[in-house]
Amino acid sequence: DGGITQSPKYLFRKEGQNVTLSCEQNLNHDAMYWYRQDPGQGLRLIYYSQIVNDFQKGDIAEGYSVSREKKESFPLTVTSAQKNPTAFYLCASSGLAGAGELFFGEGSRLTVL
Amino acid sequence: DQQVKQNSPSLSVQEGRISILNCDYTNSMFDYFLWYKKYPAEGPTFLISISSIKDKNEDGRFTVFLNKSAKHLSLHIVPSQPGDSAVYFCAASANWGKLQFGAGTQVVVTP
Repeated sequence: DGGITQSPKYLFRKEGQNVTLSCEQNLNHDAMYWYRQDPGQGLRLIYYSQIVNDFQKGDIAEGYSVSREKKESFPLTVTSAQKNPTAFYLCASSGLAGAGELFFGEGSRLTVL
Repeated sequence: DQQVKQNSPSLSVQEGRISILNCDYTNSMFDYFLWYKKYPAEGPTFLISISSIKDKNEDGRFTVFLNKSAKHLSLHIVPSQPGDSAVYFCAASANWGKLQFGAGTQVVVTP
């Protein structure tokens, strides 16, 4: 089945550690996105990529990094510089260079201990 | 600066009745609007969309209305069912740009 796979679903991290969240899609979509969800704040865009080897900062990119070496993959690294990393992270993809309809993965919940 | 606002964080409705979710936006350049539904610990799923050239779009029990002059859109769910209990996000984009999301409205459908 086509879709977006995020892993791990749950992740615990000690303060000061970097952690990488995986996102893989087999929808042949050009654009991929990372969002963060916090209670009462909706979805906020962290980074997005419209083509391979290119990506742009979203609204809350500080403390995060990404790469887009393959069309199917868009991993997100939460670095120790991110001051409040505990959140629910969502990866999405779109068949258009812009936004249009986004298809989301099931999310990864990161908890910093 | 939040350009898409859902001012009602929650809504409770009886099964079989109509659910009306509201969304306001400030950016007059938005030309495409979407509604997503989200269950806990899952990713949002696309529900329905509307282009700015229309004022209404219907898909089964779901209808979205767009009032451009008021910069307001609403989602109607008729009749409401228990499986409709979820968080609903309004989203908007301009010229196929990045989607801007509202904060969401939690809908609870009671028996």
